[in-house]
Amino acid sequence: DAKTTQPPSMDCAEGRAANLPCNHSTISGNEYVYWYRQIHSQGPQYIIHGLKNNETNEMASLIITEDRKSSTLILPHATLRDTAVYYCIVRSPDNTDKLIFGTGTRLQVFP
Amino acid sequence: DVKVTQSSRYLVKRTGEKVFLECVQDMDHENMFWYRQDPGLGLRLIYFSYDVKMKEKGDIPEGYSVSREKKERFSLILESASTNQTSMYLCASSTGGGYGYTFGSGTRLTVV
Repeated sequence: DAKTTQPPSMDCAEGRAANLPCNHSTISGNEYVYWYRQIHSQGPQYIIHGLKNNETNEMASLIITEDRKSSTLILPHATLRDTAVYYCIVRSPDNTDKLIFGTGTRLQVFP
Repeated sequence: DVKVTQSSRYLVKRTGEKVFLECVQDMDHENMFWYRQDPGLGLRLIYFSYDVKMKEKGDIPEGYSVSREKKERFSLILESASTNQTSMYLCASSTGGGYGYTFGSGTRLTVV
């Protein structure tokens, strides 16, 4: 699975959009991009995933560049409860379903 | 509500002890995983299992073994605990597809 690079930390004001970048320059054609987040003292929680097209659900939007070498997770109206560590993961659809988490981005939402 | 349950939230063991960390899921998931989490290192995969009695090594299997005798239960075993195995241990199960992971609350193990 391709390696990802994320900034170690980011800040965002409450109510503003939080844009979390991820680089995955070695991604191959069949690898998906997944985002999970981990709120303090809890296990990681799935947010969203995509292959080529932009995706949106009730939690967030995922924007993947045309060359697929980078992506951005967007939380449109960040709240204090969105303070967490966000993990960007690239995974190929083989038959083992394992996810390799990196160190993620620690997002701090402030009032 | 679907659940992954880890038997202990906090555990203190002595160096050299054999330690069992238990994980049970009630979702009939095929896949189960053990991770450890340390400050600055993120989550690292120790072992995973995609079927009963099947196991595969993750990135850091040294010093650990696992057992999966029943579909719902995945045990992590520290044969001889050492202080460098002091960590938060997280168990997860999944349906497959990468998005269906459910994590337990974690076990904070301290080896003294």
